[in-house]
Amino acid sequence: KAGVTQTPRYLIKTRGQQVTLSCSPISGHRSVSWYQQTPGQGLQFLFEYFSETQRNKGNFPGRFSGRQFSNSRSEMNVSTLELGDSALYLCASSPATENEQFFGPGTRLTVL
Amino acid sequence: GENVEQHPSTLSVQEGDSAVIKCTYSDSASNYFPWYKQELGKRPQLIIDIRSNVGEKKDQRIAVTLNKTAKHFSLHITETQPEDSAVYFCAASNGNNRLAFGKGNQVVVIP
Repeated sequence: KAGVTQTPRYLIKTRGQQVTLSCSPISGHRSVSWYQQTPGQGLQFLFEYFSETQRNKGNFPGRFSGRQFSNSRSEMNVSTLELGDSALYLCASSPATENEQFFGPGTRLTVL
Repeated sequence: GENVEQHPSTLSVQEGDSAVIKCTYSDSASNYFPWYKQELGKRPQLIIDIRSNVGEKKDQRIAVTLNKTAKHFSLHITETQPEDSAVYFCAASNGNNRLAFGKGNQVVVIP
Protein backbone atom coordinates (compact mmCIF):
# COMPACT_ATOMS: atom_id res chain seq x y z
CA LYS A 1 0.00 0.00 0.00
CA ALA A 2 1.14 3.51 -0.64
CA GLY A 3 2.08 5.46 2.48
CA VAL A 4 0.65 8.65 3.87
CA THR A 5 1.25 11.62 1.60
CA GLN A 6 1.18 15.32 2.38
CA THR A 7 1.17 18.37 0.16
CA PRO A 8 2.82 20.73 -0.16
CA ARG A 9 6.12 19.68 1.40
CA TYR A 10 7.31 23.24 1.98
CA LEU A 11 5.49 26.53 2.42
CA ILE A 12 6.63 30.06 3.10
CA LYS A 13 4.01 32.54 4.24
CA THR A 14 3.94 35.95 5.92
CA ARG A 15 2.26 36.92 9.15
CA GLY A 16 -1.47 37.40 8.85
CA GLN A 17 -1.90 35.09 5.88
CA GLN A 18 -3.72 31.78 5.98
CA VAL A 19 -2.59 28.37 4.81
CA THR A 20 -4.18 25.04 3.91
CA LEU A 21 -2.30 21.75 4.19
CA SER A 22 -3.44 18.46 2.72
CA CYS A 23 -3.05 14.85 3.85
CA SER A 24 -3.95 11.64 2.02
CA PRO A 25 -4.06 8.63 4.36
CA ILE A 26 -3.13 5.04 3.65
CA SER A 27 -5.85 3.37 1.60
CA GLY A 28 -8.50 1.96 3.91
CA HIS A 29 -7.52 4.10 6.90
CA ARG A 30 -10.39 6.23 8.13
CA SER A 31 -8.71 8.14 10.93
CA VAL A 32 -6.40 11.08 10.29
CA SER A 33 -4.60 12.91 13.08
CA TRP A 34 -2.58 16.10 12.82
CA TYR A 35 0.48 17.03 14.89
CA GLN A 36 2.70 20.07 15.12
CA GLN A 37 6.42 19.44 15.60
CA THR A 38 8.77 22.15 16.84
CA PRO A 39 12.22 21.94 18.44
CA GLY A 40 10.96 23.48 21.67
CA GLN A 41 7.62 21.76 22.17
CA GLY A 42 8.20 18.49 20.36
CA LEU A 43 5.22 16.71 18.84
CA GLN A 44 1.87 18.14 19.88
CA PHE A 45 -1.56 16.80 18.96
CA LEU A 46 -3.79 19.17 17.00
CA PHE A 47 -6.90 17.16 16.16
CA GLU A 48 -8.18 13.85 14.85
CA TYR A 49 -10.84 13.15 12.25
CA PHE A 50 -12.75 9.96 11.65
CA SER A 51 -15.49 9.54 9.04
CA GLU A 52 -15.57 13.28 8.40
CA THR A 53 -16.09 14.09 12.09
CA GLN A 54 -13.62 15.68 14.47
CA ARG A 55 -13.33 13.24 17.39
CA ASN A 56 -10.53 14.81 19.36
CA LYS A 57 -9.00 18.23 19.65
CA GLY A 58 -5.77 19.37 21.25
CA ASN A 59 -4.99 22.61 23.02
CA PHE A 60 -4.50 24.90 20.06
CA PRO A 61 -6.32 28.17 19.35
CA GLY A 62 -9.31 28.35 17.04
CA ARG A 63 -7.08 29.62 14.23
CA PHE A 64 -6.22 25.97 13.68
CA SER A 65 -9.01 24.03 12.04
CA GLY A 66 -9.42 20.98 9.89
CA ARG A 67 -11.80 18.84 7.96
CA GLN A 68 -12.03 15.42 6.42
CA PHE A 69 -13.62 14.41 3.17
CA SER A 70 -15.63 11.31 2.32
CA ASN A 71 -12.53 9.68 0.79
CA SER A 72 -10.73 10.18 4.16
CA ARG A 73 -8.39 12.83 2.80
CA SER A 74 -7.95 15.61 5.30
CA GLU A 75 -7.01 19.26 5.26
CA MET A 76 -5.93 21.57 8.02
CA ASN A 77 -6.16 25.31 7.88
CA VAL A 78 -4.31 27.92 9.87
CA SER A 79 -5.64 31.46 9.68
CA THR A 80 -3.98 34.72 10.66
CA LEU A 81 -0.53 33.14 10.74
CA GLU A 82 1.90 34.07 13.51
CA LEU A 83 5.68 33.66 13.60
CA GLY A 84 5.24 30.94 16.22
CA ASP A 85 3.26 28.81 13.77
CA SER A 86 6.49 27.98 11.96
CA ALA A 87 6.79 24.22 12.37
CA LEU A 88 6.67 20.83 10.72
CA TYR A 89 3.05 19.75 10.42
CA LEU A 90 2.63 16.01 10.36
CA CYS A 91 -0.45 13.99 9.67
CA ALA A 92 -0.85 10.36 10.62
CA SER A 93 -3.39 7.81 9.50
CA SER A 94 -4.76 4.87 11.41
CA PRO A 95 -7.14 1.99 10.79
CA ALA A 96 -10.62 2.47 12.16
CA THR A 97 -10.32 0.79 15.52
CA GLU A 98 -6.59 0.36 16.08
CA ASN A 99 -4.15 2.84 17.48
CA GLU A 100 -1.14 2.33 15.23
CA GLN A 101 -0.51 5.65 13.54
CA PHE A 102 1.59 6.01 10.43
CA PHE A 103 3.03 9.39 9.66
CA GLY A 104 3.34 11.31 6.44
CA PRO A 105 6.52 13.20 5.48
CA GLY A 106 5.16 16.47 6.84
CA THR A 107 4.73 19.99 5.55
CA ARG A 108 7.43 22.44 6.62
CA LEU A 109 5.72 25.80 7.21
CA THR A 110 7.82 28.92 7.61
CA VAL A 111 6.10 32.15 8.63
CA LEU A 112 8.06 35.34 7.96
CA GLY B 1 -4.40 15.40 29.92
CA GLU B 2 -1.68 12.81 29.54
CA ASN B 3 1.88 13.91 30.28
CA VAL B 4 4.79 11.81 29.01
CA GLU B 5 8.38 12.38 30.10
CA GLN B 6 11.47 10.89 28.52
CA HIS B 7 14.97 10.42 29.95
CA PRO B 8 17.81 10.90 29.18
CA SER B 9 17.60 13.58 26.50
CA THR B 10 20.80 12.45 24.78
CA LEU B 11 22.35 9.02 24.87
CA SER B 12 25.72 8.09 23.38
CA VAL B 13 26.63 4.42 23.10
CA GLN B 14 29.47 2.45 21.57
CA GLU B 15 28.54 0.34 18.58
CA GLY B 16 27.54 -3.10 19.78
CA ASP B 17 26.45 -1.93 23.21
CA SER B 18 22.86 -1.67 24.41
CA ALA B 19 20.76 1.48 24.69
CA VAL B 20 17.85 1.95 27.07
CA ILE B 21 15.38 4.83 27.00
CA LYS B 22 12.81 5.22 29.75
CA CYS B 23 9.50 7.07 29.66
CA THR B 24 6.98 7.81 32.37
CA TYR B 25 3.32 8.66 31.88
CA SER B 26 0.71 10.23 34.12
CA ASP B 27 -2.69 8.93 32.99
CA SER B 28 -3.50 5.51 34.41
CA ALA B 29 -6.14 5.10 31.67
CA SER B 30 -3.44 5.01 28.96
CA ASN B 31 -3.37 1.61 27.34
CA TYR B 32 -1.26 1.96 24.20
CA PHE B 33 2.44 2.86 24.12
CA PRO B 34 4.24 3.21 20.76
CA TRP B 35 7.83 4.13 20.04
CA TYR B 36 8.84 6.13 16.99
CA LYS B 37 12.24 6.64 15.39
CA GLN B 38 12.87 9.84 13.51
CA GLU B 39 15.98 10.35 11.41
CA LEU B 40 17.05 13.83 10.46
CA GLY B 41 14.67 15.34 7.94
CA LYS B 42 12.43 12.29 7.83
CA ARG B 43 9.05 11.28 9.16
CA PRO B 44 8.61 9.51 12.51
CA GLN B 45 8.50 5.76 11.93
CA LEU B 46 6.71 3.35 14.23
CA ILE B 47 9.29 0.80 15.39
CA ILE B 48 7.46 -1.07 18.15
CA ASP B 49 4.43 -0.69 20.37
CA ILE B 50 2.94 -2.34 23.42
CA ARG B 51 -0.52 -2.49 24.90
CA SER B 52 -1.37 -2.45 28.57
CA ASN B 53 -2.29 -6.13 28.74
CA VAL B 54 1.30 -7.12 27.91
CA GLY B 55 4.43 -6.60 29.98
CA GLU B 56 7.08 -7.06 27.32
CA LYS B 57 7.34 -7.24 23.55
CA LYS B 58 10.35 -8.02 21.41
CA ASP B 59 11.17 -7.58 17.74
CA GLN B 60 14.69 -8.66 16.76
CA ARG B 61 17.10 -6.19 18.44
CA ILE B 62 14.34 -4.03 19.87
CA ALA B 63 12.23 -4.67 22.95
CA VAL B 64 9.79 -2.66 25.00
CA THR B 65 8.81 -3.27 28.62
CA LEU B 66 5.84 -1.82 30.46
CA ASN B 67 5.33 -1.40 34.20
CA LYS B 68 1.74 -0.25 34.71
CA THR B 69 2.08 0.04 38.47
CA ALA B 70 4.99 2.45 38.21
CA LYS B 71 3.61 4.03 35.01
CA HIS B 72 6.77 3.68 33.03
CA PHE B 73 7.85 1.93 29.87
CA SER B 74 11.25 1.47 28.31
CA LEU B 75 12.81 0.87 24.92
CA HIS B 76 15.77 -1.49 24.76
CA ILE B 77 18.02 -1.65 21.71
CA THR B 78 20.66 -4.39 21.76
CA GLU B 79 23.79 -4.70 19.60
CA THR B 80 23.47 -1.10 18.47
CA GLN B 81 24.55 -0.17 14.96
CA PRO B 82 25.34 3.22 13.40
CA GLU B 83 21.96 3.18 11.61
CA ASP B 84 20.28 3.20 15.03
CA SER B 85 21.42 6.82 15.46
CA ALA B 86 18.24 8.92 15.47
CA VAL B 87 15.76 10.64 17.74
CA TYR B 88 13.42 8.25 19.51
CA PHE B 89 10.00 9.33 20.74
CA CYS B 90 7.79 7.48 23.17
CA ALA B 91 4.06 8.16 23.30
CA ALA B 92 0.96 7.14 25.21
CA SER B 93 -2.72 6.98 24.36
CA ASN B 94 -5.89 5.86 26.09
CA GLY B 95 -7.32 4.41 22.90
CA ASN B 96 -8.68 7.59 21.35
CA ASN B 97 -6.00 7.98 18.64
CA ARG B 98 -4.66 10.99 20.53
CA LEU B 99 -0.97 10.34 21.12
CA ALA B 100 0.84 12.28 23.83
CA PHE B 101 4.53 12.31 22.98
CA GLY B 102 7.65 12.64 25.07
CA LYS B 103 10.20 15.26 24.03
CA GLY B 104 12.46 12.71 22.37
CA ASN B 105 15.89 11.18 22.95
CA GLN B 106 18.83 11.71 20.64
CA VAL B 107 20.68 8.40 20.39
CA VAL B 108 24.20 8.54 18.99
CA VAL B 109 25.93 5.26 18.17
CA ILE B 110 29.70 5.72 18.08
CA PRO B 111 31.43 3.40 15.60
